[in-house]
Amino acid sequence: GDSVTQMEGPVTLSEEAFLTINCTYTATGYPSLFWYVQYPGEGLQLLLKATKADDKGSNKGFEATYRKETTSFHLEKGSVQVSDSAVYFCALRDYSNYQLIWGAGTKLIIKP
Amino acid sequence: DADVTQTPRNRITKTGKRIMLECSQTKGHDRMYWYRQDPGLGLRLIYYSFDVKDINKGEISDGYSVSRQAQAKFSLSLESAIPNQTALYFCATSDSGTKAGETQYFGPGTRLLVL
Repeated sequence: GDSVTQMEGPVTLSEEAFLTINCTYTATGYPSLFWYVQYPGEGLQLLLKATKADDKGSNKGFEATYRKETTSFHLEKGSVQVSDSAVYFCALRDYSNYQLIWGAGTKLIIKP
Repeated sequence: DADVTQTPRNRITKTGKRIMLECSQTKGHDRMYWYRQDPGLGLRLIYYSFDVKDINKGEISDGYSVSRQAQAKFSLSLESAIPNQTALYFCATSDSGTKAGETQYFGPGTRLLVL
């Protein structure tokens, strides 16, 4: 079945560092891919998405490119801030069903 | 006001008790979902509903039941709570009209502790 694998956390960085959180997937068909973010004490919210190969999603300085050849959707940010500290979830949605398949989440800690 | 609300936000109960978690939304979405979140496991789908008359089991429905009382309300019940149902529960909604890039909107969560 479909699955999403994320790098384990926590990931700890200093402010202004470059961020990469790896996400790879297995799926039949052509999934849409998502990154959601969960700030402390809150529900999840969509950060960015891409619905077809080579699309780049971007929001709040974060970017991720849908790479079909490597089945990846890695999240990147050039300069992180303390306020980016959160748990980040990668997810996919396949056309054949209506469910989102979630990665385990990666906790990001940014130190001043 | 929040678009997706959940009540209660926190609940402590004892093994064997019946409890209900409630979710309401003002987004006008037809689809609603219940998830549980456990550390290191991401989110797992319990039940989902595409409209008032359409309710479906998710990955981990055993021990849970749901009721879709109206388009805006979707309740999750634990008929006889057990300690391994201790988790963070999220309600979410989505709009069927957006298809491929369908975004889910989450409530703030209910933290449940079963003693």
